[in-house]
Amino acid sequence: EAQVTQNPRYLITVTGKKLTVTCSQNMNHEYMSWYRQDPGLGLRQIYYSMNVEVTDKGDVPEGYKVSRKEKRNFPLILESPSPNQTSLYFCASSYGWQGNTEAFFGQGTRLTVV
Amino acid sequence: DQQVKQNSPSLSVQEGRISILNCDYTNSMFDYFLWYKKYPAEGPTFLISISSIKDKNEDGRFTVFLNKSAKHLSLHIVPSQPGDSAVYFCAASANRAGGADGLTFGKGTHLIIQP
Repeated sequence: EAQVTQNPRYLITVTGKKLTVTCSQNMNHEYMSWYRQDPGLGLRQIYYSMNVEVTDKGDVPEGYKVSRKEKRNFPLILESPSPNQTSLYFCASSYGWQGNTEAFFGQGTRLTVV
Repeated sequence: DQQVKQNSPSLSVQEGRISILNCDYTNSMFDYFLWYKKYPAEGPTFLISISSIKDKNEDGRFTVFLNKSAKHLSLHIVPSQPGDSAVYFCAASANRAGGADGLTFGKGTHLIIQP
């Protein structure tokens, strides 16, 4: 079954404690990205990757890091989480650029930073 | 400044009737538009898209209309069914040189289909 898998689904952490949210896709997609969804703001792109070892900033990259060492994995790293990073996070993958190609989203990770 | 606007946070429609979800954009460089549907506790799923060279795209019960001069698009669902109750996100993109950018999403409209 074609899917994008995020882990964990729910996470509560404390300010400053480094965490990683994993994302894996089994569709051999080149393009992957991370979004955050906040009430009243819709979905905003954090980082994206066009291929292995190619990553770039989206609209709201501050406080986040990513890596793309393998095609299937695109982890999101919060080196020092802060309460304003409390949000619902989605990983997405697509065959090509997500501007004109259907993107497949993971189920989401609800992060709370206290 | 929000470039993609969905001004109706929610919309209630009777089952069997037409649902019309609206979306406005401000960036004239946008040339591709997509609609995503989202159920609670799930990620968004792609619904339908339209290129700026077209003014209409139809897929079963779903039709998207694009009015470039008004910078407006709408999603029509006919007939509306209970399973259509979800949050609908309008998204837009601009094909820049290098082609590596994401989508700009609206805030979403919560569609409620009443029996």
